Amino acid sequence: DGGITQSPKYLFRKEGQNVTLSCEQNLNHDAMYWYRQDPGQGLRLIYYSQIVNDFQKGDIAEGYSVSREKKESFPLTVTSAQKNPTAFYLCASSIKPPDTQYFGPGTRLTVL
Amino acid sequence: GQQVMQIPQYQHVQEGEDFTTYCNSSTTLSNIQWYKQRPGGHPVFLIQLVKSGEVKKQKRLTFQFGEAKKNSSLHITATQTTDVGTYFCTYTGTASKLTFGTGTRLQVTL
Repeated sequence: DGGITQSPKYLFRKEGQNVTLSCEQNLNHDAMYWYRQDPGQGLRLIYYSQIVNDFQKGDIAEGYSVSREKKESFPLTVTSAQKNPTAFYLCASSIKPPDTQYFGPGTRLTVL
Repeated sequence: GQQVMQIPQYQHVQEGEDFTTYCNSSTTLSNIQWYKQRPGGHPVFLIQLVKSGEVKKQKRLTFQFGEAKKNSSLHITATQTTDVGTYFCTYTGTASKLTFGTGTRLQVTL
């Protein structure tokens, strides 16, 4: 069963805590992406990675960090420096940029 | 810089009516991709347009890429409640990144 998985689906954290969102893909895609979506809004790119051990900042990288140690995994850490972290976080992958992107089911993060 | 506007932001139609959303750019686009996101779901790829003047059809959906490659449209004929969702156009920007438009939210009622 191929695809992209994100866990958990819902996540609650207290203000000031760092939290890491998981994203795994078994599509053998080189490129992976993290987006943030706020209610009624479009998708904004946080970070993307075109190849293992390399990643670039997107449009709203401040307060976030990523790693790409394995081809199939691209975890996103929401740090306490992110001023408004409550949002829907979507991970995607593609064979290579800017090919068609396949999205995971997303993680809804709520910071209390 | 490159700007892409998607209109309308929201449209409410009765089932059976047609629906069109437009994606307009200030500069020439190399390609356009369209995605659909159901309420509470994640975006799903619909189609990619690459050639000037290209028209592609998927059942009741018709996609067009303008002759100047500066605009694109998605037309749905005889909408159904299953068409509810937000439709995004995306384009390749700097550093080969896909940039998503603001989206058009479609509501269909019986």
